[in-house]
Amino acid sequence: DAGVTQSPTHLIKTRGQQVTLRCSPKSGHDTVSWYQQALGQGPQFIFQYYEEEERQRGNFPDRFSGHQFPNYSSELNVNALLLGDSALYLCASEGGPLTDTQYFGPGTRLTVL
Amino acid sequence: QKEVEQNSGPLSVPEGAIASLNCTYSDRGSQSFFWYRQYSGKSPELIMFIYSNGDKEDGRFTAQLNKASQYVSLLIRDSQPSDSATYLCALGVGNQGGKLIFGQGTELSVKP
Repeated sequence: DAGVTQSPTHLIKTRGQQVTLRCSPKSGHDTVSWYQQALGQGPQFIFQYYEEEERQRGNFPDRFSGHQFPNYSSELNVNALLLGDSALYLCASEGGPLTDTQYFGPGTRLTVL
Repeated sequence: QKEVEQNSGPLSVPEGAIASLNCTYSDRGSQSFFWYRQYSGKSPELIMFIYSNGDKEDGRFTAQLNKASQYVSLLIRDSQPSDSATYLCALGVGNQGGKLIFGQGTELSVKP
């Protein structure tokens, strides 16, 4: 049973660039959430996708956008990168609308120079 | 007031002891509560979830929920050095799935 996968593992970008992170949910799961975790902090919710629609959004600027594909995989896009965007980006998946137990992928470590 | 509060620690316990991790929250309407373990440089790993008042046991782990007092705790019995990690408390928000709100985590160190 494949768990949540994310790519790439690590990424280094410079200020002003754009980045795309990818996530494949756990088998049987159809809902994907994205979180940002700064060093020493708990994860912060960015947004959640279900049925290819953004269902909920956290307090992040419009520079952060996402997409969900028909196979339930998802992308997180960040435009105009800032130094403060350096963090671990986590994808979590859950199965169906009646459960809220989320399982995390290994994360993508983004460094903005 | 933060929505979810945890002592950042570090909490240090000797091997074989009981480690007690606590979490308080502000939203009285919260219905689902989760404990995640996060090793340094890794992603959070789900340990337990609890929805009802009282205790829920799973192996060496016991989650305790008291909605009236708005706290949830995690007890780890017979602590092992491999339990050394950061423990994250999270609240589920919204019906039919939704975001998780995390505390900042408590660092646990189990000394041999």
